[in-house]
Amino acid sequence: DAGVTQSPTHLIKTRGQQVTLRCSPKSGHDTVSWYQQALGQGPQFIFQYYEEEERQRGNFPDRFSGHQFPNYSSELNVNALLLGDSALYLCASSPARGEQYFGPGTRLTVT
Amino acid sequence: KQEVTQIPAALSVPEGENLVLNCSFTDSAIYNLQWFRQDPGKGLTSLLLIQSSQREQTSGRLNASLDKSSGRSTLYIAASQPGDSATYLCAVKVAGGSYIPTFGRGTSLIVHP
Repeated sequence: DAGVTQSPTHLIKTRGQQVTLRCSPKSGHDTVSWYQQALGQGPQFIFQYYEEEERQRGNFPDRFSGHQFPNYSSELNVNALLLGDSALYLCASSPARGEQYFGPGTRLTVT
Repeated sequence: KQEVTQIPAALSVPEGENLVLNCSFTDSAIYNLQWFRQDPGKGLTSLLLIQSSQREQTSGRLNASLDKSSGRSTLYIAASQPGDSATYLCAVKVAGGSYIPTFGRGTSLIVHP
């Protein structure tokens, strides 16, 4: 079992651009959650997907959107990037409301 | 709204010391509490998960305790090693809530030889 995988590992974008991050959940998991972790902070919940629908959402603007595919993999899209979007983006998968397993993260730098 | 605080923010100790990391939370009606380890720029690795009905969990040199009434958890690391150097995060899920964990900012630990 490969566990939770994320791509790409690192990404550099310019302000105003758009970015797509990808996540493949652990085998047997149907729920995917996304978190943003700024330097020196704890992870902040962005949203959670289950059965291809957004089930819960944290306090993030509409510039942050996502998608879940029939195979349970997920994408996080961020539009109109700001310098403040620079962070480590973590994906976590779980069975329904069970324990979450985290991926290695994608480091996004906005210049 | 659940708030999670971790003290100290940073800790530097010599190898071999026993140490205690603290986590406090404001809403005692929790579902569970989980301790994670995070190496620089990496994802989170789960260390210990304590259900609300439990008082402690142990794994090797790690022991985590939970006192819901006082809103506190401690992570005890015995005989620390340089390989223990990392950031330790605690996360709390509220009972009857969204099952989304609230994280503290973490304690950055350095164990020097």
